[in-house]
Amino acid sequence: DAKTTQPNSMESNEEEPVHLPCNHSTISGTDYIHWYRQLPSQGPEYVIHGLTSNVNNRMASLAIAEDRKSSTLILHRATLRDAAVYYCILRANAGGTSYGKLTFGQGTILTVHP
Amino acid sequence: EAQVTQNPRYLITVTGKKLTVTCSQNMNHEYMSWYRQDPGLGLRQIYYSMNVEVTDKGDVPEGYKVSRKEKRNFPLILESPSPNQTSLYFCASSPYSGSGELFFGEGSRLTVL
Repeated sequence: DAKTTQPNSMESNEEEPVHLPCNHSTISGTDYIHWYRQLPSQGPEYVIHGLTSNVNNRMASLAIAEDRKSSTLILHRATLRDAAVYYCILRANAGGTSYGKLTFGQGTILTVHP
Repeated sequence: EAQVTQNPRYLITVTGKKLTVTCSQNMNHEYMSWYRQDPGLGLRQIYYSMNVEVTDKGDVPEGYKVSRKEKRNFPLILESPSPNQTSLYFCASSPYSGSGELFFGEGSRLTVL
């Protein structure tokens, strides 16, 4: 199953943009890139996902490299509530041999300073 | 409200006493899975299920069993719990699709003495 690599931790100031990187050099053509975050004492929650094109939603933006071997989660204006662990994972398309297995890794701990 | 419900949320038990952690989802999702989370090790997948009666091992299945007799339920069974299974457990579900968003439960904190 394809793996992702993320920095252990990052810091940001409140109301500044944050760019969280993720490397996935072994991504296959049908793998979706998903991002989740886990707030303290909670289960992970969905943030955004994409396949090839950049994506935007109310929480964040996802920028995907042209070769798809890396991606960046962008929080446009960090708030104190964005302090969490952010996970980047790859999810094969349904029917793919690695569809069911998911590897989360340790994620990136984001600290937001007031 | 769309949700994944786990029970119990907290449990302290003793070595060898069989226990079941239940997981139920109300979104008609085909895919369900279990994870354990330990300090410094992140989230590790225990078992997953593509649909009713279809289950498969994740990365750390030893010491656990699962069943999927109904679409909405995916219980995690510890036949003979040991202290190394003390952990925080999460259940998740999603539609059967690579683009399907995973919905997680609130977690079950298990302590085995």
